[in-house]
Amino acid sequence: EAGVTQSPTHLIKTRGQQATLRCSPISGHTSVYWYQQALGLGLQFLLWYDEGEERNRGNFPPRFSGRQFPNYSSELNVNALELEDSALYLCASSLKGLAGGPTYNEQFFGPGTRLTVL
Amino acid sequence: AQTVTQSQPEMSVQEAETVTLSCTYDTSENNYYLFWYKQPPSRQMILVIRQEAYKQQNATENRFSVNFQKAAKSFSLKISDSQLGDTAMYFCALGGSQGNLIFGKGTKLSVKP
Repeated sequence: EAGVTQSPTHLIKTRGQQATLRCSPISGHTSVYWYQQALGLGLQFLLWYDEGEERNRGNFPPRFSGRQFPNYSSELNVNALELEDSALYLCASSLKGLAGGPTYNEQFFGPGTRLTVL
Repeated sequence: AQTVTQSQPEMSVQEAETVTLSCTYDTSENNYYLFWYKQPPSRQMILVIRQEAYKQQNATENRFSVNFQKAAKSFSLKISDSQLGDTAMYFCALGGSQGNLIFGKGTKLSVKP
């Protein structure tokens, strides 16, 4: 069974540009989560999508946005890039998460996209 | 607010010995789950072990076990018979009603031959 895949592996942009990161979940998983792993800050939750809808959002500015497609793959868009956006962006998928319920489903992570903003 | 704290930024252990990684958390929810994830130098995060908060029995997975102290909000990971392949960053994570996981900042574990 194929795991979570992310593309591209590396992405280099300059300040002010836009970045688009892509994620394909494990077959059968409807929930996709995005996390930012910046040096020294651990993993910070960005966005959660389930069945095409945004279910929850972390404490990030609106220039971080995304969407989930009918096949459950997802895109993360970062507009007006800033130097501090340089980080590893991890995507995870799980079986349907229950809004209002506990996160008991294991989240499976992809290998990440390393975004560097110059 | 939910928080997860890992107070040991780095640890080392000799091969075949036992090591314990600490984690404390805070949540106002009654129903939640706790996880330990491992991130080797290759970057791929993988689940090591999971604990349901409503279960009193500590979870075990082969050489990995947890000491879950609900009243103290403590969730430590014990690795027995450490192997070189256990070298990695270990993250403690809390899952609740919001859907996402809250991660600690991680503990870098080095297993020495």
